[in-house]
Amino acid sequence: DAGITQSPRHKVTETGTPVTLRCHQTENHRYMYWYRQDPGHGLRLIHYSYGVKDTDKGEVSDGYSVSRSKTEDFLLTLESATSSQTSVYFCAISSPGQGEVTLHFGNGTRLTVT
Amino acid sequence: AQRVTQPEKLLSVFKGAPVELKCNYSYSGSPELFWYVQYSRQRLQLLLRHISRESIKGFTADLNKGETSFHLKKPFAQEEDSAMYYCALRRDGATNKLIFGTGTLLAVQP
Repeated sequence: DAGITQSPRHKVTETGTPVTLRCHQTENHRYMYWYRQDPGHGLRLIHYSYGVKDTDKGEVSDGYSVSRSKTEDFLLTLESATSSQTSVYFCAISSPGQGEVTLHFGNGTRLTVT
Repeated sequence: AQRVTQPEKLLSVFKGAPVELKCNYSYSGSPELFWYVQYSRQRLQLLLRHISRESIKGFTADLNKGETSFHLKKPFAQEEDSAMYYCALRRDGATNKLIFGTGTLLAVQP
C-alpha cells in the first residue's frame, strides 16, 4: 500500500464547529486530493493540490478549504461544520505519469456532524 | 460537462454466473477510463485502466467510444469479487483529476 495516513479515522463534531482533517504521505507524490464518499453520489472531488501551496477547487468545494505547506501534508478544513458534511472523506495521491494516472487512496475519515 | 453514469446501485449474481457492471460516460474529447474497487474494510484501489488493456482478477473492460461505454466484465463471478466498484474518467490534457461514477455494489451469492 502507498504510504498514506489519514487522521483522525473517526470524528464526531457539532454543527458550527471548525474541523481539520489531515492527510500525510511518505511517497513524495506531487498531487494530492480530497474526496468525499456519499451513498448515491459516489466519490466527489472537494479540492486538490498539484504542489506545495498550489491548490484548486473540485466539484463540491463550498464550505471547505485546504492547505498544503509541505509536500507530505494536505489539510482539509471545514470552517463551520454542517450536517450535510457528514460523510466519509478520502485522501488520495498520485504522480503525473506518461499518459496514465493512478490514484492511491488512504483509509478514509468518517466524520459525523450532529 | 463530463459525467460518469453507473446505472446499477446493486448487482446481485450467483457464484459462477457472468458479471457485467455498466459504465457510461459523457465527454467530447479522448478520455481515459478506469475501474476502481473497494473491498470490505480495504482501501479503494485501482482495478483496471483502459490504456493497459489488461485483465485483472479475471475482469476485463473495453472502451467503446461509439457507445461511450466502459463496461466491466467477468465470465464467472467468485464470492471474493463482492465489493463496491467505481468507474472513473480522466479528461485528456494536463489535468490529473478523476471524475467518479456513483458506484455499483456487486454481491456474489454462494
